[in-house]
Amino acid sequence: QKEVEQDPGPLSVPEGAIVSLNCTYSNSAFQYFMWYRQYSRKGPELLMYTYSSGNKEDGRFTAQVDKSSKYISLFIRDSQPSDSATYLCAVSLLQGAQKLVFGQGTRLTINP
Amino acid sequence: ETGVTQSPTHLIKTRGQQVTLRCSSQSGHNTVSWYQQALGQGPQFIFQYYREEENGRGNFPPRFSGLQFPNYSSELNVNALELDDSALYLCASSSGQRSGNTIYFGEGSWLTVV
Repeated sequence: QKEVEQDPGPLSVPEGAIVSLNCTYSNSAFQYFMWYRQYSRKGPELLMYTYSSGNKEDGRFTAQVDKSSKYISLFIRDSQPSDSATYLCAVSLLQGAQKLVFGQGTRLTINP
Repeated sequence: ETGVTQSPTHLIKTRGQQVTLRCSSQSGHNTVSWYQQALGQGPQFIFQYYREEENGRGNFPPRFSGLQFPNYSSELNVNALELDDSALYLCASSSGQRSGNTIYFGEGSWLTVV
């Protein structure tokens, strides 16, 4: 079993739709939760960063963490064609080296 | 702009050869880590360096090695290249060695082994 599971998609939605991206993880010791956006043939770009459970909002993006069910989500409101990219969830432990454990990534396309 | 630059952007090597990939972090970022990202997969942690010493390693064999220099630059060396080493290699830096510090990635180096 992978430490972080993420549906690779692809996911295709019309412009303006609300997008929901999700990951599950297996180790309850993970305390930091991140979402990265990666455009084709580019490096990952940090979108959202959350410590422990709860919600965090930044513009059109909302990250949710439910530690009781080991489930993390990213919501994109009013999706734009420029949001088309691969979205990677990542988790890390509270202590120790900064090892990020990534999901496989979900490829998202927003259609005009 | 993350302040993390990598070189070369693309390279092709032959199986059995050795390769060195380079990374330059922004000033003050004393922690650097390297990741391997195969096509269609998420990045996998190779190792981390803090103040020029390796202080964390993922599930990669010893032929993957690294160096970190005082001027915030670092290298990833891979010996005895195998076809499965073909991937995007990402350098990431942050201002602290512990979890909780924001990690910034470079654009990566695409390695093809033939």
